[in-house]
Amino acid sequence: DTGVSQDPRHKITKRGQNVTFRCDPISEHNRLYWYRQTLGQGPEFLTYFQNEAQLEKSRLLSDRFSAERPKGSFSTLEIQRTEQGDSAMYLCASSLGGGKQFFGPGTRLTVL
Amino acid sequence: AQSVTQLGSHVSVSEGALVLLRCNYSSSVPPYLFWYVQYPNQGLQLLLKYTSAATLVKGINGFEAEFKKSETSFHLTKPSAHMSDAAEYFCAVSDRSFGNEKLTFGTGTRLTIIP
Repeated sequence: DTGVSQDPRHKITKRGQNVTFRCDPISEHNRLYWYRQTLGQGPEFLTYFQNEAQLEKSRLLSDRFSAERPKGSFSTLEIQRTEQGDSAMYLCASSLGGGKQFFGPGTRLTVL
Repeated sequence: AQSVTQLGSHVSVSEGALVLLRCNYSSSVPPYLFWYVQYPNQGLQLLLKYTSAATLVKGINGFEAEFKKSETSFHLTKPSAHMSDAAEYFCAVSDRSFGNEKLTFGTGTRLTIIP
């Protein structure tokens, strides 16, 4: 069990640029979640994959956001035309079900 | 819809004193309940989870929590605080009824340990 990894750990970008984050879940985990955490708040659910299928998206996930999980392994989260309000920590978690999710270290996005 | 309320955004206790972090939940179905800890600039680490096997749940680092259905509470306790316990703590609820076990988090409680 090597844990959930996320890349990059930090990203600074200018408003209007596109960014992409990657999450590598624990290898046998079929469920993958993305959350967003802003300063002083708890994480908020963004989207959920079971294997390669994206089964739920939060209303927080505007049209500028897209997530994929090709082949049911790693996942990417892309934000197009970033806005300052997108600045947050983006957390990925994976799970086998039964309620227990394992979180990665997160990607901290700063939009200037 | 599920929700979690954490009473007290900041809690300070002296080293060696009892730690009590409060969490109340709202759920229309029997929930999973969790406590996570987050250290600065890090992801979340699971402290413990309740899934109905026992109302008193023991976790890592000496923490435990008691599920009280009548009070819709799931408070986190530790008998004796250690300096290394200083962190942000999040209570979370999950709906076990569906395949998507997404977590709904509280706003967190920052725990400060006074030497």
